[in-house]
Amino acid sequence: AQSVTQLGSHVSVSEGALVLLRCNYSSSVPPYLFWYVQYPNQGLQLLLKYTTGATLVKGINGFEAEFKKSETSFHLTKPSAHMSDAAEYFCAVSEAGGKLIFGQGTELSVKP
Amino acid sequence: GAVVSQHPSRVICKSGTSVKIECRSLDFQATTMFWYRQFPKQSLMLMATSNEGSKATYEQGVEKDKFLINHASLTLSTLTVTSAHPEDSSFYICSAIRGQGLSGANVLTFGAGSRLTVL
Repeated sequence: AQSVTQLGSHVSVSEGALVLLRCNYSSSVPPYLFWYVQYPNQGLQLLLKYTTGATLVKGINGFEAEFKKSETSFHLTKPSAHMSDAAEYFCAVSEAGGKLIFGQGTELSVKP
Repeated sequence: GAVVSQHPSRVICKSGTSVKIECRSLDFQATTMFWYRQFPKQSLMLMATSNEGSKATYEQGVEKDKFLINHASLTLSTLTVTSAHPEDSSFYICSAIRGQGLSGANVLTFGAGSRLTVL
């Protein structure tokens, strides 16, 4: 079975600082990986996804993630944090049939 | 772009009553929809896969008689929480796949969620 582990349930950065949210996956087949963002009391919005091809994936709002098969990782980064980035972030792996298995989530706080 | 609408966004009900939550794909047809449940400060747990015109597939540990799912059309799936109890209070989120392909590469579009509070 596939699974996702997000290291750190809460990450705090200063505005303008680098954002790094960690995600490791377990999969017996080539994975499809996703990062979603959730604002309070809202659904999930897709930030970016990796299916095949280029391992560095660029998403919306300046976020990007790199698929590293050797490390089974798909960490999310953004060079410079903005106050509006404060939210909950979920890494997910897709199983057959299209359903997503989510990590535990990481709450990002951005300090002024 | 693909839009999924959930209704109601918030609902409060008395213990023992039933509550229906609707999930609609507004600008595309969705053969498959998924229902997730999210407790405060926790991740999303898949409850069931809803397939148009057939019975839903429930995840292990989810009571199918308590969480009734109906997917009668290509744009609507409903989740009914029957005989609700306080422990059913949660944030319920639906998602839909655009088109008929079920490749893992498909992107799910999520609704805004429905917060259920059972008194």
